[in-house]
Amino acid sequence: AQSVTQPDIHITVSEGASLELRCNYSYGATPYLFWYVQSPGQGLQLLLKYFSGDTLVQGIKGFEAEFKRSQSSFNLRKPSVHWSDAAEYFCAVGAAYGGSQGNLIFGKGTKLSVKP
Amino acid sequence: GAGVSQSPSNKVTEKGKDVELRCDPISGHTALYWYRQSLGQGLEFLIYFQGNSAPDKSGLPSDRFSAERTGGSVSTLTIQRTQQEDSAVYLCASSSRDRGLYEQYFGPGTRLTVT
Repeated sequence: AQSVTQPDIHITVSEGASLELRCNYSYGATPYLFWYVQSPGQGLQLLLKYFSGDTLVQGIKGFEAEFKRSQSSFNLRKPSVHWSDAAEYFCAVGAAYGGSQGNLIFGKGTKLSVKP
Repeated sequence: GAGVSQSPSNKVTEKGKDVELRCDPISGHTALYWYRQSLGQGLEFLIYFQGNSAPDKSGLPSDRFSAERTGGSVSTLTIQRTQQEDSAVYLCASSSRDRGLYEQYFGPGTRLTVT
């Protein structure tokens, strides 16, 4: 069965420090992978996605993620965190494009706090 | 352009009552999804509509939950005889095939509290 694991429930980093949020997935075929961000009281916003090709993908707000098939991972990184990055981050996996199911399977999220 | 909108933003109801939650997807998006976000549970898929195809209801937790999508646009999620465990944020998302079904755009959600 498809699943997504985000091992860290809560992470605190200092403003200006680098960030890495971990995501591991379980999926039988080539996955489509996503990172979403949710600010308090808001819906989810797509940060970046991986479908195929270059395993290092760039997203909005200076985020990037690297797909590592051998490790079944899709970790999110940012070189320098800003206070406005404080939010909850969700990793998700989807079945093949055009498949019978369009839904995403989400991890339980990692809450990011940023210290001044 | 306008994003996905949901109403109401908050709903408080008594146990045993029925509730209806509404979602207006982005104009032209053929796919519409409902998810439930519970504290500590992350996001759970509930139901998926794609064009005129039969909806994928595989995520609905019980027969008290149902959803419809009228005219390929607006969707209503109905919960009958609400229970306290139904308290959650219900999120709607939409997408279009030309951008990839999984590039989903989410609404702000409806926070449901069952007392």
